[in-house]
Amino acid sequence: EAGVAQSPRYKIIEKRQSVAFWCNPISGHATLYWYQQILGQGPKLLIQFQNNGVVDDSQLPKDRFSAERLKGVDSTLKIQPAKLEDSAVYLCASSLGWGGFYNEQFFGPGTRLTVL
Amino acid sequence: AQRVTQPEKLLSVFKGAPVELKCNYSYSGSPELFWYVQYSRQRLQLLLRHISRESIKGFTADLNKGETSFHLKKPFAQEEDSAMYYCAPIHRWGAQKLVFGQGTRLTINP
Repeated sequence: EAGVAQSPRYKIIEKRQSVAFWCNPISGHATLYWYQQILGQGPKLLIQFQNNGVVDDSQLPKDRFSAERLKGVDSTLKIQPAKLEDSAVYLCASSLGWGGFYNEQFFGPGTRLTVL
Repeated sequence: AQRVTQPEKLLSVFKGAPVELKCNYSYSGSPELFWYVQYSRQRLQLLLRHISRESIKGFTADLNKGETSFHLKKPFAQEEDSAMYYCAPIHRWGAQKLVFGQGTRLTINP
């Protein structure tokens, strides 16, 4: 069954380098989320898109992180420049919509980033 | 501030024993509450939501608004229940932003 796709699955970079992650949500899902999960912690929402508009990016470190969702489908999350503390698993999730009754979020496999 | 506390990082019980994973929350308004689970080498997935009042894989969770708790329970643990469990409240309306607890790693010993 088709689920949320993410690539790459693993990435190792040195600090101050740049990195980008890609996410393809479930077909027809209007809402897309990016979470950061640091080892030993629960996922933390970085940014939420409704179609191609940003709903919430209050926890996105905007000095180094950026995200876009052109055409309201795929999304990319970029870090530039990376810091050691950015080492984490980056999860993408999607849901049918937002507002009203809760729309279940479906998660991708994640991208494990190691910053050396 | 929205806060979710799962006091046990690790929980180990024997197969057939009862299991209770604790979750306490501090959240404005009347949130909906969920338990998410991540089995080894699998994706994070929804286990159950309090509004459904359902039992999934033998698990139930009761919302106690007075104690602001949403503990997950199962009377007889199975080995396949070994996983990472996350409690997460959400606003009923609007942006539906999940706030995850730190998680509890449950290990069921044979």
